[in-house]
Amino acid sequence: GDSVTQMEGPVTLSEEACLTINCTYTATGYPSLFWYVQYPGEGLQLLLKATKADDKGSNKGFEATYRKETTSFHLEKGSVQVSDSAVYFCALADNDMRFGAGTRLTVKP
Amino acid sequence: GAGVSQSPSNKVTEKGKDVELRCDPISGHTALYWYRQSLGQGLEFLIYFQGNSAPDKSGLPSDRFSAERTGGSVSTLTIQRTQQEDSAVYLCASSLGSGTTNEQYFGPGTRLTVT
Repeated sequence: GDSVTQMEGPVTLSEEACLTINCTYTATGYPSLFWYVQYPGEGLQLLLKATKADDKGSNKGFEATYRKETTSFHLEKGSVQVSDSAVYFCALADNDMRFGAGTRLTVKP
Repeated sequence: GAGVSQSPSNKVTEKGKDVELRCDPISGHTALYWYRQSLGQGLEFLIYFQGNSAPDKSGLPSDRFSAERTGGSVSTLTIQRTQQEDSAVYLCASSLGSGTTNEQYFGPGTRLTVT
């Protein structure tokens, strides 16, 4: 069945460092791919999405490109801020929704 | 406008008791999902409602778990004879439709602790 595998955390970075959180997927169809974020004390919210191969989703300085050839959707940001500290979930939607295990990011000043 | 709301926010119950968790989706959203988030785990899909169609129950972990959605709006997740391994945060989400591109809007969750 469909599944999502994302980089295990926790990840700790200094402010202004580069971030990459790896995400790979397996799917029988042509899923849409998402990154959701859960800030401390808040509910999950959509960060960005891509609905077809080679699409790039972007929001708040974060980017992820839908790579069909490598079945990946890695999350990247060139310069993280303390306010980016959160748990990040990669997800795919095909016949249903599948989420990765989440990666906790802590950004230190 | 109002987002997805869930109640109670926290529930502590004794092993063997039944619990009911409630979800109020965003008005007009036809799709409703329940997930479970255990400590250190990702989101585990439980059940999905789309309009008046029969729900997709494929994620329910045992027959102690059931859910209903009345009038295409409010949903209740019921766990009978709770066990300690049921302790988790139960999340509800809704979306405008069932299409794969539709964003899901999540509620704040209900933290269930079974003692």
